[in-house]
Amino acid sequence: GALVYQYPRRTICKSGTSMRMECQAVGFQATSVAWYRQSPQKTFELIALSTVNSAIKYEQNFTQEKFPISHPNLSFSSMTVLNAYLEDRGLYLCGARDRTYEQYFGPGTRLTVL
Amino acid sequence: GDSVTQKQGQVTLSEDDFLFINCTYSTTTYPTLLWYVQYLGQGPQLLLKVTTANNKGISRGFEATYDKGTTSFHLQKASVQESDSAVYFCALVSSGSWQLIFGSGTQLTVMP
Repeated sequence: GALVYQYPRRTICKSGTSMRMECQAVGFQATSVAWYRQSPQKTFELIALSTVNSAIKYEQNFTQEKFPISHPNLSFSSMTVLNAYLEDRGLYLCGARDRTYEQYFGPGTRLTVL
Repeated sequence: GDSVTQKQGQVTLSEDDFLFINCTYSTTTYPTLLWYVQYLGQGPQLLLKVTTANNKGISRGFEATYDKGTTSFHLQKASVQESDSAVYFCALVSSGSWQLIFGSGTQLTVMP
């Protein structure tokens, strides 16, 4: 079956530092990967959509300078949170989409900023 | 723009109770409607989806009908179990789009 792994599952960083999170699709080809942030109140914010061999599309309020994304192949994507501050805390979810447009989510990387 | 509304933030039931979670949507397109379930410490998992108006999706005892007339996609289950405790998200994907639009979620707690 289709699975999405994310690591680390949890991370703590000091304010102003950066952290990188990874997303791996297993059992299917992730033609597109959407990165979301889920707030402590459970609401979802779409950060960006990354499609292999295409430009990454960032949503309003999110920039490449702050959340650089790499999507080098059909099974792997990574995103970095640069200069993390308190407002960046939350659960970062990777939603990998296959050729049928079914979207599979990983368990998320929970970011705590001190 | 497209939106999904879930009025109930929390629902608390006892085992074997009937479940009803309200979901309404707004879009100018012909969307696919979905329900996701998120268990504690996990990412959202697709519970069911319906691509055509007036059709019903059924999975694991849960069901939801895509009602274009009332723009609703309410989730129901005849008899809940403690293991159904989770957060349930209603979502839509507009035709021709890839982007999931989520509702605010409903926390279901089922007491033994």
